[in-house]
Amino acid sequence: GDSVTQMEGPVTLSEEAFLTINCTYTATGYPSLFWYVQYPGEGLQLLLKATKADDKGSNKGFEATYRKETTSFHLEKGSVQVSDSAVYFCALKPNFGNEKLTFGTGTRLTIIP
Amino acid sequence: DAGVIQSPRHEVTEMGQEVTLRCKPISGHDYLFWYRQTMMRGLELLIYFNNNVPIDDSGMPEDRFSAKMPNASFSTLKIQPSEPRDSAVYFCASSLGLQYNEQFFGPGTRLTVL
Repeated sequence: GDSVTQMEGPVTLSEEAFLTINCTYTATGYPSLFWYVQYPGEGLQLLLKATKADDKGSNKGFEATYRKETTSFHLEKGSVQVSDSAVYFCALKPNFGNEKLTFGTGTRLTIIP
Repeated sequence: DAGVIQSPRHEVTEMGQEVTLRCKPISGHDYLFWYRQTMMRGLELLIYFNNNVPIDDSGMPEDRFSAKMPNASFSTLKIQPSEPRDSAVYFCASSLGLQYNEQFFGPGTRLTVL
């Protein structure tokens, strides 16, 4: 079945550091890929998405590129801020009518000033 | 739009009691999802509905759990009887469906069963 494997956390970085959170997936066909973010005490919210190979999703300085050849969708940001502290989830959705999202386990990110 | 609304935000109950969680999806959304989040198991999909009809309930842990969607603007998740291992944060989400559309999550209900 479909699965998403995420980089183990927690991750702690200093402000303005470069961020990478790794995500790889297993799925048949060509799924859509997502990064969701969960701030403390809140529900998940979509950060970015990509729907086909080589697409790059971007939002709030975060980027991720859909790599079919390596089945990866790594999240990157060039300069993190304290406000980026949250839990980040990678997810996929099959592109054949199934609305179920398969989530990774989440990566907790803490940014220290 | 107010977003997905869940109530209550916090619920503390004793083992054996019935618990009912409520969700109001975003108006116009055709899909509604119930998730459970725990430290041990992460985020799990329990059930989802399309146009008020349950489509996949394979994630419902056991018969003590039931979910209904009597109309397009309301859904409930009921646990009867509740057990301490049901303690978790329960999220409701809704979406327009179609390809690529995101799910919008509510703020969650934190359930503690003593």
